[in-house]
Amino acid sequence: DAGVIQSPRHEVTEMGQEVTLRCKPISGHDYLFWYRQTMMRGLELLIYFNNNVPIDDSGMPEDRFSAKMPNASFSTLKIQPSEPRDSAVYFCASSFVGGVRTGELFFGEGSRLTVL
Amino acid sequence: AQSVTQLDSQVPVFEEAPVELRCNYSSSVSVYLFWYVQYPNQGLQLLLKYLSGSTLVKGINGFEAEFNKSQTSFHLRKPSVHISDTAEYFCAVRENTGGFKTIFGAGTRLFVKA
Repeated sequence: DAGVIQSPRHEVTEMGQEVTLRCKPISGHDYLFWYRQTMMRGLELLIYFNNNVPIDDSGMPEDRFSAKMPNASFSTLKIQPSEPRDSAVYFCASSFVGGVRTGELFFGEGSRLTVL
Repeated sequence: AQSVTQLDSQVPVFEEAPVELRCNYSSSVSVYLFWYVQYPNQGLQLLLKYLSGSTLVKGINGFEAEFNKSQTSFHLRKPSVHISDTAEYFCAVRENTGGFKTIFGAGTRLFVKA
């Protein structure tokens, strides 16, 4: 089985530019999560979706951040305009509810964003 | 709202020694508890989880954890560590209320020395 696929793996951009991070969840999973990891704040939940619908976006830092899930196999996290403090590793994870695997998150390898 | 505290940011230990990584949580309802491991430049992988039943949970790579409801703890243990266990370990909690919001601790860096 293919795991969660994220792109790009690395992104370097300049302040003010738009950044789009992409995620393909594991087929059949109906939950998708976006996390941000920094040294200062650790692993923060930004937003999560269930069946393509945003359920909790209380972790989205501000209006510069937006996330979409147009279908079950694709999600984007967009930052516009980007700022140096957005530099972090952004993880996408997917999951499904059912049986003994309830609650387990499957993480992608992350997208490392550097905003200069 | 739930929260997780990992009491040690770094734990150095010699190879073949035992190790315990500490985790305490806070929640007003019952919870599910997890330990994940992150190797350099990789995503997180599940080590083990507690959903219900036996409070002693065994996971992959010889790790185990014990859920202690009265102390609101879920400490991770391994009787004999290997160099390859060097990684970052995250404790996580999800409230058993039907939602799916999983909150992670700050992480503990385990460094195994030869």
